[in-house]
Amino acid sequence: QVQLVQSGAEVREPGASVKVSCKASGYTFTGYHMHWVRQAPGRGLEWMGWINPNSGDTSYAQKFQGWVTMTSDTSISTAYMELSRLTSDDTAAYYCVRCHYDRSGYSYFDYWGQGTLVTVSS
Amino acid sequence: EIVLTQSPGTLSLSPGDRATLSCRASQSVSSTYLTWYQQKPGQAPRLLIYGASRRATGIPDRFSGTGSGTDFTLTISRLEPEDFAVYYCQQYGNSVTFGGGTKVEIK
Repeated sequence: QVQLVQSGAEVREPGASVKVSCKASGYTFTGYHMHWVRQAPGRGLEWMGWINPNSGDTSYAQKFQGWVTMTSDTSISTAYMELSRLTSDDTAAYYCVRCHYDRSGYSYFDYWGQGTLVTVSS
Repeated sequence: EIVLTQSPGTLSLSPGDRATLSCRASQSVSSTYLTWYQQKPGQAPRLLIYGASRRATGIPDRFSGTGSGTDFTLTISRLEPEDFAVYYCQQYGNSVTFGGGTKVEIK
């Protein structure tokens, strides 16, 4: 069965960086784009961007361009999201999400990681 | 960027009631790219409806989605206790945006 297992909770000081991992299993890792979505406490969902593990191509939401980096390691079926220059506004749960595309043109997020809570505090 | 506005913000209903949730887009969205998710406290979101009207695998038929263009609706025909949650719509055109969510709470 498809599983996305993320790394554990992190605490960082303002100005630091954080790197969250997402290990995929149960499917061909290079066959699907991996997206990242975050959710601040008590708030809605915010899309951050995606990576194509097959090519390494990325696309970031305009808000995150210049301070998020998405990478992947196909040898261990793991995607990574690194966010730099953290502020308290970056305190959130970060989710990796597999994106399903099919020949009919449907695109949707079908499997979600369990989420990684990143807390930014001095 | 396409903005999705969900209404109402909160829906207070009883088990057995019908729930109607709205998602309005700031510009036309292809139905192919309109998706609904359910999220319960402490859990990741779960896929409910994709392509505006297609139920995901394992989703009960009391959930249905309709709409096109800029107006989309998620309907829960008879609320079960496990349906009280927050619901988000999402569009995936040339970028991805989510609506702000509708919380369905027990009255």
